[in-house]
Amino acid sequence: AQSVSQHNHHVILSEAASLELGCNYSYGGTVNLFWYVQYPGQHLQLLLKYFSGDPLVKGIKGFEAEFIKSKFSFNLRKPSVQWSDTAEYFCAVNAWGSGNTGKLIFGQGTTLQVKP
Amino acid sequence: KAGVTQTPRYLIKTRGQQVTLSCSPISGHRSVSWYQQTPGQGLQFLFEYFSETQRNKGNFPGRFSGRQFSNSRSEMNVSTLELGDSALYLCASSLDASADTQYFGPGTRLTVL
Repeated sequence: AQSVSQHNHHVILSEAASLELGCNYSYGGTVNLFWYVQYPGQHLQLLLKYFSGDPLVKGIKGFEAEFIKSKFSFNLRKPSVQWSDTAEYFCAVNAWGSGNTGKLIFGQGTTLQVKP
Repeated sequence: KAGVTQTPRYLIKTRGQQVTLSCSPISGHRSVSWYQQTPGQGLQFLFEYFSETQRNKGNFPGRFSGRQFSNSRSEMNVSTLELGDSALYLCASSLDASADTQYFGPGTRLTVL
């Protein structure tokens, strides 16, 4: 069955630093990929998604992610973080085939703390 | 458009009781999925409903059940509550399939004493 792994559990950065959060998934077939963000006290919001096409996808608030099929990865990036980016970030994957039924599977999440 | 709404927002129950949580999807969305969020296990998929039928199911015991009504509103029920059921229960809706972008509600915080 599909699994999703986020390598960094807790990341601390200073404002203006660059961000890259890793996400790897286990299945090489048909997948849809998502990054969600949960700001303190708020509900999960979609940052960006990849269904097909250009593997470099741009989302809200200056975030982008690159789908690398050969590496089973979908890493999230932002060139310059702000204090307001402090939040928990979740990578999620839908997969079909080989026992996968399309349900959305989440990684464990990465807590990002940005110091002003 | 109004977002996904969940009621109640907070619940306190005791072991052995049962609980029903409610979710109203975004207008026009026909798929509703439920997730359990805990610090230890993260976000785990419970089930998905589409057109009043359960279309997908996670690895949770039979104490967890759900249903969807003709207006796409959904309820989730947990019977014989255990301490480990304490969690944030999230509902998400999407247009037609769980593979579409899912939009999440604020969740119901369930505490089991």
